[in-house]
Amino acid sequence: EDQVTQSPEALRLQEGESSSLNCSYTVSGLRGLFWYRQDPGKGPEFLFTLYSAGEEKEKERLKATLTKKESFLHITAPKPEDSATYLCAVQAGGNTPLVFGKGTRLSVIA
Amino acid sequence: GAVVSQHPSWVICKSGTSVKIECRSLDFQATTMFWYRQFPKQSLMLMATSNEGSKATYEQGVEKDKFLINHASLTLSTLTVTSAHPEDSSFYICSATASVGLFFGSGTQLSVL
Repeated sequence: EDQVTQSPEALRLQEGESSSLNCSYTVSGLRGLFWYRQDPGKGPEFLFTLYSAGEEKEKERLKATLTKKESFLHITAPKPEDSATYLCAVQAGGNTPLVFGKGTRLSVIA
Repeated sequence: GAVVSQHPSWVICKSGTSVKIECRSLDFQATTMFWYRQFPKQSLMLMATSNEGSKATYEQGVEKDKFLINHASLTLSTLTVTSAHPEDSSFYICSATASVGLFFGSGTQLSVL
């Protein structure tokens, strides 16, 4: 069974304090690993898709990396507006639905 | 990125009534759309896979007669919660696959009184 585990469940950072969120996964044939940002009462906002181990992608203060067992979302010098829940999901193959982790609730304090 | 429009954003209804939620892909065609349900501080749980022109595929434990899904065109899928009860109150989110990834609607908060 495909599984996604995110840690920590919640993270509180001071503005400018860099950190990383972890996403561990087990999947039979990874087609893609996805990172989303979700604000309260809204649908997930697409951030990145990673397809193979060693791949890295960046967007502003965010950088996502992928190994064969886990992915990290690095946040460099976060700002209060980065506060949100960050969701990780995997897709096993074809046009199959994503399997989501429970998310990490990030709070960045000014 | 691709845009998925979901309507309404929130709805309050009386117990026993039916509620329809629409999900549209605005700038791409989606042969497959997915419907998720999310409880507070929980992750997204897949309810069903909606296929254009055919019957939806429901996940185990999801009542297909209660959650009716129609995917009549390549840009529209609807979820109808029939005879809603307070335990159906939740955040419902649709998603669709575009060439560059999977995109989500803004969600519908359903409150059943």
